[in-house]
Order: sequence, then C-alpha cells, then structure tokens
Amino acid sequence: EDQVTQSPEALRLQEGESSSLNCSYTVSGLRGLFWYRQDPGKGPEFLFTLYSAGEEKEKERLKATLTKKESFLHITAPKPEDSATYLCAVGALGGGYNKLIFGAGTRLAVHP
Amino acid sequence: NAGVTQTPKFQVLKTGQSMTLQCAQDMNHNSMYWYRQDPGMGLRLIYYSASEGTTDKGEVPNGYNVSRLNKREFSLRLESAAPSQTSVYFCASSEKSEAFFGQGTRLTVV
Repeated sequence: EDQVTQSPEALRLQEGESSSLNCSYTVSGLRGLFWYRQDPGKGPEFLFTLYSAGEEKEKERLKATLTKKESFLHITAPKPEDSATYLCAVGALGGGYNKLIFGAGTRLAVHP
Repeated sequence: NAGVTQTPKFQVLKTGQSMTLQCAQDMNHNSMYWYRQDPGMGLRLIYYSASEGTTDKGEVPNGYNVSRLNKREFSLRLESAAPSQTSVYFCASSEKSEAFFGQGTRLTVV
C-alpha cells in the first residue's frame, strides 16, 4: 500500500537553530516527491519536486534531498517567518491518473 | 495571476442541506482535484478529473458528487450534508507533476 509518514509531528526551534524534517515513503512507481508549505488558513504552497535518489533542490533557507526510501527538508538558520506546516507528498501512478499521497505534515514553530 | 480560486471561503450547513463548492483555475491545466483536510490525517483525495469531460473517484468519495463543467471549472456537491463532512476542502490543478492549490473552503455541518 502506498504510504507517506512524516516526522516529527511538531518541531519547535529557536531562530538560527538548523534542523531537518523527515518524510519516509513506500510507493509503487514513484512519480515525484513533493514538498509543500502550508500557512494557517491557507492552501498548500508548492516548494520542490524531486524525481530521483540523490537529487537535491534549494530555495533560500530550505534544501530538500531524496533517497530511495525517504526525503529530508533541511532548514538552515531558520527565521520566525519559516513557521508553517510542511507537507510531503509522493506522486504515484494508480487508477489511471497521477495521484498524490500526502503525509500528515510537520508543524514547525520558529521562535525569536 | 489568480491560479486556483475557490468559493465560498466559509460555509455553515445544517445536517441534510445541500451545497456546491466552486473551483476555477486559469493555468490551462488538464487535471483537477478535490481534497479534504482533517486534523492529523493529511489531505485525502475525494474526486479527480484527468481532463475535461472525465471524472473519477478518489480515496473518500462517499457523500460527494462532482462536475467538470469545462477545462477551467470543477465543482464539488454535497447532496445531503452530514457532520462527518465538516472539514476544509481544497481544490487543486496540475498539468504533469506538481499540483497547485486554492485557498480552501472551511465547511462546518451542524
């Protein structure tokens, strides 16, 4: 069964304290690993797509990496404005369409 | 650039009432989706439309119907609302890989 698990559920950091969020997955026929950011009361905002093991993408203080079984979202020297829920999703081909399977998310709080 | 627009943003329904959630995208995407988001459960797919004129069930379709009105618009209908349908509903669209989401409709059924 296709499944995505994110850890930790919640993470509290001090401003400048780097850390990583984990997304582990099992899927038959991976068609991309996606990271989204979601602010309270808003829709998910697309951050990155990774397609193959060893691939890395960066945007400001965020860097996403991918292995065959998991992805990490590394946050370097975070700022309070990085506080949000970060969602991981895997794309899989099933039922004739490109489906996205989401994890439950990691709630990140960055305190000054 | 509006992207994906959903209406309404908030709605309260009584059990048994019906309503339609509207979604429109201006990115010329073929695929459109309806998700619901509940605390601790992530986003779950209700229905999707791979292209204009086609729709199919996702993970949690019971109690919902959809209409792909044209390439831009994809609506979600609750025929007889139940408290279990209290949730935040998101519409999304995609072309080949990543999906882009609307701002959501927060629905409460009392």
